[in-house]
Amino acid sequence: NAGVTQTPKFQVLKTGQSMTLQCAQDMNHNSMYWYRQDPGMGLRLIYYSASEGTTDKGEVPNGYNVSRLNKREFSLRLESAAPSQTSVYFCASSVQGPRGEQFFGPGTRLTVL
Amino acid sequence: GQQVMQIPQYQHVQEGEDFTTYCNSSTTLSNIQWYKQRPGGHPVFLIQLVKSGEVKKQKRLTFQFGEAKKNSSLHITATQTTDVGTYFCAGLKETSGSRLTFGEGTQLTVNP
Repeated sequence: NAGVTQTPKFQVLKTGQSMTLQCAQDMNHNSMYWYRQDPGMGLRLIYYSASEGTTDKGEVPNGYNVSRLNKREFSLRLESAAPSQTSVYFCASSVQGPRGEQFFGPGTRLTVL
Repeated sequence: GQQVMQIPQYQHVQEGEDFTTYCNSSTTLSNIQWYKQRPGGHPVFLIQLVKSGEVKKQKRLTFQFGEAKKNSSLHITATQTTDVGTYFCAGLKETSGSRLTFGEGTQLTVNP
C-alpha cells in the first residue's frame, strides 16, 4: 500500500495563477483532510471531507476550493494564488472522522511569488 | 486562532536528558492525539487518549490526559538523537464536530 500520496511535491507559482493539488489514498478511508503548515503555526485545517460526496470548511478555507472526486481522491484548488498561500500543504485521511489516527501524505511545498 | 496551546515552542536537550511538552485547551476535549514530525517530513501518529486521567506508555514515551480533559503532556525519558523532531498535540473539542485542532508544536533538538 502506498498510503496517502500527493502531487506535486514542489511548486512555484506567480501571483494570480491557479493550480490543483492532488491527493489520493489507497486505505479505503472515508474521511480526508487538507491542512496547511506555516512556521510556528502548527497545522491548520483548510477543508475536510467526512465521507464521499461531502465537504466542509475548516479553519482557513478562504482562497481555496476542494473536490472529493471519489472515495480515494480529494483535490485542493487555488483559483488565484496569493503570496499568503505560500506554505506546505498536507493531505490526510482517516477511517472515519477525527476520532482516530490520521495518516498524512508527504506534503506539497508551494511558493507563490 | 489557535485554541490548543502547546509549550514550550522549542526545547534543546543533551542526549540522555528527559523532555516534556505540554498541551492546554480552553475547553473540554473529547480526545487528544499526539503526532511526531521529523525535519522535512510529515506528521506521524503516535497515540490517542480518550479517558479522563488516562496514562499510556510507549517505551520511553509517556502520555497523559488531564482529569478535566483540558490538558495533556508527553514525556520522553532519556532522550536519544532519534527523538529529534516536532511534537504536536491535536485535540477534538466536544463541540467542534469533525475538526481536530492542532497545537503549534514543540521542536525538540538533541545534542549527542
